[in-house]
Amino acid sequence: ILNVEQSPQSLHVQEGDSTNFTCSFPSSNFYALHWYRWETAKSPEALFVMTLNGDEKKKGRISATLNTKEGYSYLYIKGSQPEDSATYLCAFIRDTGGFKTIFGAGTRLFVKA
Amino acid sequence: ETGVTQTPRHLVMGMTNKKSLKCEQHLGHNAMYWYKQSAKKPLELMFVYSLEERVENNSVPSRFSPECPNSSHLFLHLHTLQPEDSALYLCASSLGATSNQPQHFGDGTRLSIL
Repeated sequence: ILNVEQSPQSLHVQEGDSTNFTCSFPSSNFYALHWYRWETAKSPEALFVMTLNGDEKKKGRISATLNTKEGYSYLYIKGSQPEDSATYLCAFIRDTGGFKTIFGAGTRLFVKA
Repeated sequence: ETGVTQTPRHLVMGMTNKKSLKCEQHLGHNAMYWYKQSAKKPLELMFVYSLEERVENNSVPSRFSPECPNSSHLFLHLHTLQPEDSALYLCASSLGATSNQPQHFGDGTRLSIL
């Protein structure tokens, strides 16, 4: 069974706090890892596509790291703002001759002003 | 119009009805996807089309029938659905289906089966 686990399931922080959450995935047959932000009543929005072990990507106050050997990726938000409140999804893309996409259940972030 | 557009936004249907969900993208992408989001479950990939050819079918029941007449349009034809098929159905597109391209999602169709 291929599992993509995201933790924590939900997170409540105060405005200005920095936070991070984890996506764990199988370390075999890795092809890519995607991060998405999904705000309520909107569509999921792509944040990062990560393909190389040791990758670090940054977009404004949000950054992500990737460790394909141990099978995890971290997403960091520096100085959280209320508009960061959303569900953050990771998607593991596996290559076994064909691509298979498996999403995690997401981390629901609430940022209180 | 830009982005990925899905219609209808909401659909209520009986188990014996036949309906179709529509997805349209104006991003010049060559790959399109259907996902299902059930309550308290992760997004599940249903189908992937690349250049109008189905390249992935994740053991989806035959009561769901996809159609991709061209690279800008994707349909999901529904017939004889079950109550457990009630979910949010999301369409997405990407430049290619090689999976190192980010996907652009529509707002989804909320489907309720009576």
